[in-house]
Amino acid sequence: DGGITQSPKYLFRKEGQNVTLSCEQNLNHDAMYWYRQDPGQGLRLIYYSQIVNDFQKGDIAEGYSVSREKKESFPLTVTSAQKNPTAFYLCASMEGQGPLYGYTFGSGTRLTVV
Amino acid sequence: ILNVEQSPQSLHVQEGDSTNFTCSFPSSNFYALHWYRWETAKSPEALFVMTLNGDEKKKGRISATLNTKEGYSYLYIKGSQPEDSATYLCAFIDRGSTLGRLYFGRGTQLTVWP
Repeated sequence: DGGITQSPKYLFRKEGQNVTLSCEQNLNHDAMYWYRQDPGQGLRLIYYSQIVNDFQKGDIAEGYSVSREKKESFPLTVTSAQKNPTAFYLCASMEGQGPLYGYTFGSGTRLTVV
Repeated sequence: ILNVEQSPQSLHVQEGDSTNFTCSFPSSNFYALHWYRWETAKSPEALFVMTLNGDEKKKGRISATLNTKEGYSYLYIKGSQPEDSATYLCAFIDRGSTLGRLYFGRGTQLTVWP
């Protein structure tokens, strides 16, 4: 079955460490997105990519980095510069070049700083 | 950052009740509106993609309407069932934004008691 796989499901990070969240899709979708969810807030866009080797910052990109070397993969690195990384992270992809299709979401990664 | 408001924040109903919730968005530069259902421990799932003023969409017992001139959309659930319990998200796409970039509301959390 086609879909988006996010791993790991839970991740614990020590202060000062970089960690990478994986997002893989086998839907042949061009566009991929990373969102962050905090309690009581809507999903906020971190980074997005519409084609391989190209990506743009979203609203809260500071302290994060991404790469898009393959169409199927869009990993997110949470760096030590991210002041408050504890959150739930969702990856999504979208068919086609326009927003007339719904997103397909992964099941998320919950990151906790210890 | 565009503001998308959803109300109520949470809703508790009895099985068999019909319910509705609201999504408000900027009425200028409208391009599309998405509705998603997000069940606990699962991925958000696309319900509707709406693009035209006056659009009405239906999926089983769930339907949605769209008023782009006044900037709101309603989601209706007829005869709620316990399996309808989920968080319902709406997301707005601005015509001036990069294609595919969604602005999410905080969601309405629906609990249906048997």
